[in-house]
Amino acid sequence: DAGVIQSPRHEVTEMGQEVTLRCKPISGHDYLFWYRQTMMRGLELLIYFNNNVPIDDSGMPEDRFSAKMPNASFSTLKIQPSEPRDSAVYFCASSYRSFSGNTIYFGEGSWLTVV
Amino acid sequence: AQTVTQSQPEMSVQEAETVTLSCTYDTSESDYYLFWYKQPPSRQMILVIRQEAYKQQNATENRFSVNFQKAAKSFSLKISDSQLGDAAMYFCAYRSAGANSKLTFGKGITLSVRP
Repeated sequence: DAGVIQSPRHEVTEMGQEVTLRCKPISGHDYLFWYRQTMMRGLELLIYFNNNVPIDDSGMPEDRFSAKMPNASFSTLKIQPSEPRDSAVYFCASSYRSFSGNTIYFGEGSWLTVV
Repeated sequence: AQTVTQSQPEMSVQEAETVTLSCTYDTSESDYYLFWYKQPPSRQMILVIRQEAYKQQNATENRFSVNFQKAAKSFSLKISDSQLGDAAMYFCAYRSAGANSKLTFGKGITLSVRP
């Protein structure tokens, strides 16, 4: 099986521009997570979905951030407008929740630099 | 809310020696999962080992094993016969088996391996 696929792997953008990060979870997984990693704050959960429905978005830093999951195989995280402090590695992860499951698998991350 | 604490920010081990990374957590739940993830410089999050709270037996994966002390809420990772490729950041993580299924991470520990 293919793992969690994220794109782009690297993006450099100017402050004020819109950024869209994309994620394809592992087929059959019913949970999808967006995490952000910075040196200062470590790994932060931004939002997660269950069966395409957002369950907890309390980690989304502000209204400039939005996430969607239109179907079971695709999710986006959008930042508009972007700011230098948004520079981070953004991870998408997925899991299948079952009695013997619960392991969360991560994509390779999207490295975002806002200048 | 659950919390995960990794109190040692850095550790070092001689190649071929054994090292133990500490992790404690706080929860009021009885059923949950614990994980150790490895993050090499590439930043990819790699699952090292997983432990189900209902299992008394400590999980083992080749050179990696855990010491799970449920009453003490402690979950340490032991790496035997350390190799240069083990150098990375290691994160301890907690996931509830209940409805709130997000993965909560500790701040991580940077492990260096001396040749």
